[in-house]
Amino acid sequence: QKEVEQNSGPLSVPEGAIASLNCTYSDRVSQSFFWYRQYSGKSPELIMSIYSNGDKEDGRFTAQLNKASQYVSLLIRDSQPSDSATYLCALPPGSARQLTFGSGTQLTVLP
Amino acid sequence: DTEVTQTPKHLVMGMTNKKSLKCEQHMGHRAMYWYKQKAKKPPELMFVYSYEKLSINESVPSRFSPECPNSSLLNLHLHALQPEDSALYLCASSAPGGGGLYNEQFFGPGTRLTVL
Repeated sequence: QKEVEQNSGPLSVPEGAIASLNCTYSDRVSQSFFWYRQYSGKSPELIMSIYSNGDKEDGRFTAQLNKASQYVSLLIRDSQPSDSATYLCALPPGSARQLTFGSGTQLTVLP
Repeated sequence: DTEVTQTPKHLVMGMTNKKSLKCEQHMGHRAMYWYKQKAKKPPELMFVYSYEKLSINESVPSRFSPECPNSSLLNLHLHALQPEDSALYLCASSAPGGGGLYNEQFFGPGTRLTVL
């Protein structure tokens, strides 16, 4: 099993809808979870960090973490065409410093 | 200032050339990273420097040689590359910390490398 499994998509949603992106992970020791957004031809941009079980909201973005079920998700409310990008979940394996990335989900928000 | 800078933005080199990629951050971060990213793939870790010392080398071929001259700078020296090494090379940095709780990594814009 890969360390981080991400629904690879692609995912298309209409403008104004909720986009839901999901990751599962195998390492129960992991304590930190991150979502990166990467526009085509650009570098990854950190958009959310979550460390505790539950929800964390930042504007239109909500990250959800469930350590018992070993999944982390990202909800994008009121999706906009400018949200069209590849979203990568990432976590450090165990207490390591480096990140392991999921394969990425390509999101397209249709006007 | 949450910015990591990388130069050059684009680089085209022949298989016999020697070139260097440069990365700089002024966030006081003490961990710096090199990643390689191929199209439609996630970033793939190459090297990690922690407090200016190489702590991780992910079995990267010796034609890639990293260097960390000081806490703000990270170089990647390239020599005798192959066409399959063409990719986006990303530098990232993160603050020191323990227990895996402070690993927010910030990426630079990347260098698009083409090997002819």
